[in-house]
Amino acid sequence: EIVLTQSPGTLSLSPGERATLSCRASQNVNRSFLAWYQQRRGQAPKLLIYGASSRATGIPDRFSGSGSGTDFTLTISRLEPEDFAVYYCQQYGNSPWTFGQGTKVEIK
Amino acid sequence: QVQLVESGGGVVQPGTSLRLSCAASGFTFSTYGMHWVRQAPGKGLEWVAVISYDGNRKFYTDSVKGRFTTSRDNSKNTLYLEMNSLRPEDTAVYYCAKDPGFWSGYSDNWGQGTLVTVSS
Repeated sequence: EIVLTQSPGTLSLSPGERATLSCRASQNVNRSFLAWYQQRRGQAPKLLIYGASSRATGIPDRFSGSGSGTDFTLTISRLEPEDFAVYYCQQYGNSPWTFGQGTKVEIK
Repeated sequence: QVQLVESGGGVVQPGTSLRLSCAASGFTFSTYGMHWVRQAPGKGLEWVAVISYDGNRKFYTDSVKGRFTTSRDNSKNTLYLEMNSLRPEDTAVYYCAKDPGFWSGYSDNWGQGTLVTVSS
């Protein structure tokens, strides 16, 4: 099973700042099959990125994903108030599909 | 638009059973794989199970194999999760989620979830 480790656990930033979230895999993620989700408090997760770098439908371009192999990054170029949430990465290149433990982006 | 509505959650005792349902609308249900993902209170996400568009292929995480069974009724646009021999560690919000294809592995739409509490 591939273990995904997200860092940092919590990111304290102000609106307008840039957020950089990391997701590291314990082994290579096949074909960069990595997704990112946003979960706001009390809500279901929402798909942001799939295939490591493809934005899902309707996702603003301030969200971008990059990486391959074992190291992946989600970048939010300028934080909007609605972006303060928990973010999860998920690999789906190797079964069983697994999630990281999450990074919370909080208002500083 | 895609809508997924889970139901069937509740408080049950260890060792008992529960069946969750997920009513789907807004898309051609019979052509997409579907997932179950759970989230224990205050914890992260855990993928639980997937079923192919036609119900012929299923796959489960190790911790629920032999206890949970997912199925679907494409005539009713409904997904099911039959949970047997429930344990306290199965306590979680259970989400049904749509796969963007046959069996891609990630989820592009999620329901709001239903809470299952296993406690004596």
